[in-house]
Amino acid sequence: DAKTTQPPSMDCAEGRAANLPCNHSTISGNEYVYWYRQIHSQGPQYIIHGLKNNETNEMASLIITEDRKSSTLILPHATLRDTAVYYCIVRPYPVSGGYQKVTFGTGTKLQVIP
Amino acid sequence: ETGVTQSPTHLIKTRGQQVTLRCSSQSGHNTVSWYQQALGQGPQFIFQYYREEENGRGNFPPRFSGLQFPNYSSELNVNALELDDSALYLCASSQMGSGQGPSYEQYFGPGTRLTVT
Repeated sequence: DAKTTQPPSMDCAEGRAANLPCNHSTISGNEYVYWYRQIHSQGPQYIIHGLKNNETNEMASLIITEDRKSSTLILPHATLRDTAVYYCIVRPYPVSGGYQKVTFGTGTKLQVIP
Repeated sequence: ETGVTQSPTHLIKTRGQQVTLRCSSQSGHNTVSWYQQALGQGPQFIFQYYREEENGRGNFPPRFSGLQFPNYSSELNVNALELDDSALYLCASSQMGSGQGPSYEQYFGPGTRLTVT
């Protein structure tokens, strides 16, 4: 799996947009960008994924650059409950019964400040 | 609530002992993966089971083994425990259907905190 680089920590004011960057300059053409988060003492939670187009769901938006070498996860209105470690992961296109290994780095610790 | 449950929540073992951790997958999920998360680190992939067969393994020695049962529950067994095995152990389940597609979600359980003394 391609390696990702994320800042170790970020702060964000409550109610503001949180923009979490991720570099994945060695991403391959068949690799998707996934984001997970892990709130303290819980298992990781899937947030969103994308290939090359921008994606949005009820939790967040994902912006992937045209060259696919970096992406940004956007939490539009951060709340205190969004305080967590956010992991950016790139992984191949999964197939039925195929290998689903997810390689986590150390992520970005997002602290939402009141 | 993800629907993935793990037991026990916490466990303390002595070096050299053996331990079995259990995971109950979300209903309908046929794939389970196990991860080890040391303090301050991201989860590290141990192995994956699909339809009761191991079909992927990370960089972990053979003393880490597993089982997946017909009801898609699973176990992680660790023999000859070492101090460095102290970690949070996570299982994650997903549904792999026919064909291809990246839209599956991998649901993680809350983990089992193992302490080896």
